[in-house]
Amino acid sequence: QSALTQPASMSGSPGQSITISCTGTTSDVGSYNLVSWYQQYPGKAPKLMIYDGSKRPSGVSNRFSGSKSGNTASLAISGLQAEDEANYYCCAFAGRSTLVFGGGTKVTVL
Amino acid sequence: EVQLVQSGAEVKKPGESLKISCTGSGNTFNNYWIAWVRQMSGKGLEWMGIIYPSNSDARYSPSFQGQVTISADRSISTAYLQWSNLKASDTAMYFCARLIPGSWGGFDYWGPGTQVTVSS
Repeated sequence: QSALTQPASMSGSPGQSITISCTGTTSDVGSYNLVSWYQQYPGKAPKLMIYDGSKRPSGVSNRFSGSKSGNTASLAISGLQAEDEANYYCCAFAGRSTLVFGGGTKVTVL
Repeated sequence: EVQLVQSGAEVKKPGESLKISCTGSGNTFNNYWIAWVRQMSGKGLEWMGIIYPSNSDARYSPSFQGQVTISADRSISTAYLQWSNLKASDTAMYFCARLIPGSWGGFDYWGPGTQVTVSS
């Protein structure tokens, strides 16, 4: 069970859009539409941003959206804002009641 | 409102044992899967394992199988993460999190974390 692959860092200017990728295998991301995304500020607990691949919890901005193609899931952030500067992690169901996280992506708002 | 309350920070020596806890609202705890997630300083999130407090069915990540024990006491809506022989490499923040009801598609509530420091 290897960690999902995410870019270590991404950046964008306010108002721009970015898309964070999360690449797994046919055993996890590719087999189930059970990918979630989390936002984490330093020293804080993670916050759920997307679940079941593309669903947004109540209270999460519609600037965040999730999708999947093959073994790669993606989190898109549109209209980048200063408050979006954080670490983002994907997580996928890997079968047999197990889950796996991605390595995380640090998003910087320029 | 759902809340997961975790036990306080711990400082231990190598070789010692430790049990940390995660307590939730009764009606929203026992019938949901509760996971433990490790975060070493400056590093990413790692899924350690998960338990269903109602029947104590526990599953582990291969990376943590045999290294820790996950248990629960449904009578007090509490899940535990336990070590019998701590190592310096166990130094990390540990979060508990609730799996979304009826889905393995995400964790909707998280505890604030318990910092564990293992040092001689």
